[in-house]
Amino acid sequence: GENVEQHPSTLSVQEGDSAVIKCTYSDSASNYFPWYKQELGKRPQLIIDIRSNVGEKKDQRIAVTLNKTAKHFSLHITETQPEDSAVYFCAASKGTGNQFYFGTGTSLTVIP
Amino acid sequence: SQTIHQWPATLVQPVGSPLSLECTVEGTSNPNLYWYRQAAGRGLQLLFYSVGIGQISSEVPQNLSASRPQDRQFILSSKKLLLSDSGFYLCAWGGFLAGEQFFGPGTRLTVL
Repeated sequence: GENVEQHPSTLSVQEGDSAVIKCTYSDSASNYFPWYKQELGKRPQLIIDIRSNVGEKKDQRIAVTLNKTAKHFSLHITETQPEDSAVYFCAASKGTGNQFYFGTGTSLTVIP
Repeated sequence: SQTIHQWPATLVQPVGSPLSLECTVEGTSNPNLYWYRQAAGRGLQLLFYSVGIGQISSEVPQNLSASRPQDRQFILSSKKLLLSDSGFYLCAWGGFLAGEQFFGPGTRLTVL
């Protein structure tokens, strides 16, 4: 089955700096890669996703890149703000109707 | 638009007692439904998923069970709770565009 690894497990950055979280996956049939943000005590919220036919996707300060050959994808947050502090999870899936395989999460702290 | 509900929001139960958590989805038909558990400070563990009424797949053998009596209703149950059942239980429904998943608000269960 699919195996998703996520690094780092914790990340601290100064406000205004960039943060990068990386995930690798094992199953080349995976074609959908979402990222979730979970604030303390709340539900995970989908913040951005990418499909295998795209190499990069941006939404304001966040972006996701995908390297299918190397089987890895990354979340990039620029100009970080204290409200970006949360746990971020990556996932891989074979698409509609298929289960998600989640990474173990990255706890991001943005220091004011 | 689609909405997902879970109740109760919090629950404190003694060891050995039964459990019933409910999840309902509004605004969509025949969704894929998922139950996840998240232990404190940990990642997301898939417990069950369902692609239709009466169709349940189990990912982890344990003392929990799931049922889907109606199209948009998903129930998680246990006959006898264990201490290790404590956690944050999240229901999710699957979108149809690219297979996204959207989480409900969760039930925080403490077994004493």
